[in-house]
Amino acid sequence: GESVGLHLPTLSVQEGDNSIINCAYSNSASDYFIWYKQESGKGPQFIIDIRSNMDKRQGQRVTVLLNKTVKHLSLQIAATQPGDSAVYFCAEKNYGQNFVFGPGTRLSVLP
Amino acid sequence: EPEVTQTPSHQVTQMGQEVILRCVPISNHLYFYWYRQILGQKVEFLVSFYNNEISEKSEIFDDQFSVERPDGSNFTLKIRSTKLEDSAMYFCASSALSAGGYEQYFGPGTRLTVT
Repeated sequence: GESVGLHLPTLSVQEGDNSIINCAYSNSASDYFIWYKQESGKGPQFIIDIRSNMDKRQGQRVTVLLNKTVKHLSLQIAATQPGDSAVYFCAEKNYGQNFVFGPGTRLSVLP
Repeated sequence: EPEVTQTPSHQVTQMGQEVILRCVPISNHLYFYWYRQILGQKVEFLVSFYNNEISEKSEIFDDQFSVERPDGSNFTLKIRSTKLEDSAMYFCASSALSAGGYEQYFGPGTRLTVT
C-alpha cells in the first residue's frame, strides 16, 4: 500500500547548526503534507504544512521543501537549539481526512 | 492557549474488557480525530469525525471501535472488547479547517495497556 517513510532514523547536530530532516512519500496523488514534532511523553505538535502546488514554505526558523518529481519532502531547521531535540514526523494527506505518518526521525542537538 | 485534553493519562485493562477513552477538543474546532501509536512505531490514523458523523476511517478501525460526541465538548473512543494488540498510545486531535490546511492540535495521549 501507499506509505510515507523517512531516510534517517536518527540525526545528531551541533547547537547552532542547521538541521535537515528528510521524508519520502509514495502516493503521488497526495496534495498536502505536514511536519510534526513530538517530544517525549507528548502528542505530536504541528510545525509547518505545505500544499502540493508549492515547492517551498517558510516559517519561523523552519522551511519545508517539496519535490514532487522524486516524491521527497524535507524540513530544515535553522540555528538548531536544544529545545529542538525531539522526534520529527512527516505526514501526507492520503484522502479526505486520512493522514499517513512516517516512522519519525529523532533529532539530537549536541551542546 | 487552548489545548486538547485527554483522560485518563493511563488506562490498564484486561483483555476482553471495554474501555472508553475521553477527549475534550478545542472548543471552536469542527474536525476531530483519533490516532494510535504502538510503542516504537509510527502514528496511525484511526478515524476522523465531522458534523456528528464519521468522515473517514482506517482499516484498523473495525467493528470493535466506535466514536461518539455525546455532548458539545467531549469526543470519545470506545473499544468494545480489548485485545493485547490494542495496547498503544491513543491520541485525540482536533482542527478548525481553514483555507490554508488542516492544522491539527493533538492531545497528550492516553496510554492503554491491555493485559
